[in-house]
Amino acid sequence: QSVLTQPPSVSAAPGQTVTISCSGTSSNIENSYISWYQQLPGTAPKLLIFDNENRLSGVPDRFSASKSGTSATLTITGLQTGDEADYYCGTWNRTVHVGGFGGGTKLTVL
Amino acid sequence: QVQLRESGPGLAKPSETLSLTCTVSGASISSSYWAWVRQPPGKGLEWIGYMFHSGTTSYNPSLKSRVTISVDTSKSQFSLMLTSVTAADTAVYYCARMRGSGNLHDWGQGTLVTVSS
Repeated sequence: QSVLTQPPSVSAAPGQTVTISCSGTSSNIENSYISWYQQLPGTAPKLLIFDNENRLSGVPDRFSASKSGTSATLTITGLQTGDEADYYCGTWNRTVHVGGFGGGTKLTVL
Repeated sequence: QVQLRESGPGLAKPSETLSLTCTVSGASISSSYWAWVRQPPGKGLEWIGYMFHSGTTSYNPSLKSRVTISVDTSKSQFSLMLTSVTAADTAVYYCARMRGSGNLHDWGQGTLVTVSS
């Protein structure tokens, strides 16, 4: 069972904007660092965003993330067909040094 | 460019021990934290645990009683042992480099381990 909750799927047309939510508790979101991963079909996950809102070098600025209270959000603007993938939020509990993931969201670019 | 490569048997029998090794190149194994993550077929990611070369480890509480992560700095490798496996442990197992607060920056390509008699 995942420690964070994500919608199973989202979809949008090319060029549009999509948001993927990630919800949890005060211990695994509000008081934790959130990361976001992209997993293209048949490949290993790839880190996109770390420490709540920081884009990894080389990640397009179409990808952004934020956190508020017990929820976090990944926003992708100017959707491209190549963005079709599973997206996972990740958490890091600073007290007990344990990680966890959301259940993943499948993005379909119509 | 950091590269990680998982290796080990692709098949394990129920009740036996699953053992995998991750070979690291392009970075010193003494310079980072190293983690294991798994993904059952068609399902989401599950954090297994991480270690530092000094011996510091931390494990997912749900797996803690069965997991050991260790390092061999001379071979630039770290390993995963999971005891008393069942079919529920069938998954693609990934090794990864962890930096900062649990951020998994670099990943291996993953290796599928099937638990079956």
